[in-house]
Amino acid sequence: EPEVTQTPSHQVTQMGQEVILRCVPISNHLYFYWYRQILGQKVEFLVSFYNNEISEKSEIFDDQFSVERPDGSNFTLKIRSTKLEDSAMYFCASSETGGAYGNTIYFGEGSWLTVV
Amino acid sequence: SQKIEQNSEALNIQEGKTATLTCNYTNYSPAYLQWYRQDPGRGPVFLLLIRENEKEKRKERLKVTFDTTLKQSLFHITASQPADSATYLCGSGGYQKVTFGIGTKLQVIP
Repeated sequence: EPEVTQTPSHQVTQMGQEVILRCVPISNHLYFYWYRQILGQKVEFLVSFYNNEISEKSEIFDDQFSVERPDGSNFTLKIRSTKLEDSAMYFCASSETGGAYGNTIYFGEGSWLTVV
Repeated sequence: SQKIEQNSEALNIQEGKTATLTCNYTNYSPAYLQWYRQDPGRGPVFLLLIRENEKEKRKERLKVTFDTTLKQSLFHITASQPADSATYLCGSGGYQKVTFGIGTKLQVIP
């Protein structure tokens, strides 16, 4: 069964450093997402991406965050200058469709980011 | 903005019984609700989606209901098994993003 793959599975970084998390969405999907989950908390939406541009973002997704689809398969999340509170599990996800009537979202296994 | 409320306390049930998990939403009725399963340290896995105009949806041992009057969705697992032990997330759908609740941890005791 097709799946969303993410790398790295775990990254430890110093505060203030840049981090890039990588994802390969399911190949025929058109919508891509990043979510995050701080330990013990909810899965929170960060950003959605369609047709090579951001289509929606949350208030968490500030200027320190950016997303890119550098080629036909990868989808990346960059955090420019990491803070301690960025420590979380980051999930990449994709869906075949978007829209108000239901978009089943397929999540990757996550990249666990620890900022020290 | 939409809020999704789930009972964050763990639900313990005996194997073979029916587990019922509750999801309440505030504000407007979402176009659809989704239920996901999440195992520790892993990504959510989609289970079922129910639209606003649907009362009930079934898939194997799973059943979801959507009551717009009560602003509530119920998620049922019949004939529960220890392998069903996980956290179950309820999410409301908008145009693209899904707003999740905290999830309810289900423990099925053999």
